Amino acid sequence: DSGVTQTPKHLITATGQRVTLRCSPRSGDLSVYWYQQSLDQGLQFLIQYYNGEERAKGNILERFSAQQFPDLHSELNLSSLELGDSALYFCASSVLGEDEQYFGPGTRLTVT
Amino acid sequence: QQQVKQSPQSLIVQKGGISIINCAYENTAFDYFPWYQQFPGKGPALLIAIRPDVSEKKEGRFTISFNKSAKQFSLHIMDSQPGDSATYFCAALPSGSARQLTFGSGTQLTVLP
Repeated sequence: DSGVTQTPKHLITATGQRVTLRCSPRSGDLSVYWYQQSLDQGLQFLIQYYNGEERAKGNILERFSAQQFPDLHSELNLSSLELGDSALYFCASSVLGEDEQYFGPGTRLTVT
Repeated sequence: QQQVKQSPQSLIVQKGGISIINCAYENTAFDYFPWYQQFPGKGPALLIAIRPDVSEKKEGRFTISFNKSAKQFSLHIMDSQPGDSATYFCAALPSGSARQLTFGSGTQLTVLP
């Protein structure tokens, strides 16, 4: 158990809908990262937050957005969902100044 | 642009054998190279990591070999066990404040009993 929690574990929704994925980092970790894992694209970085501020952006679609709240939990919002958005979404966290990123168990999103 | 290339895609090893997975990178700004292990239905778990100033790092049965001039690094699993059967990902982290991991494509390891 990495100490990173993610909810929900599974999510099934229809095209065009909007969903919110939630992540709680390890105690003391200020940085949160979101990654997408799909069969065709592999593991890809989406976005990083540090202590509430966006720090880096990767291959994140404009339909996706994220934020980190004062209690350090983070949410990833996916809107206007398409079939191709079906994937595993992972959250990871790390301590300031440390390179190790610890991943949560993921949320499996299925868009039908 | 794939910045970390990983091979092989799949690997079958007998119990007790040595498993070797290779990765190559292009971006010289990378300064931290972790390996992750992922079991089905689970998140990637940090296994072992190395920095470019070290040529080898060993933790138990797992060893990373690093060749900075060739921009290559590899994971060696000694005395491979059926419980090691999982997907292994190499990754790389750039220097600076943006700490996004770039992953290789993964290697599915099967250790036969």
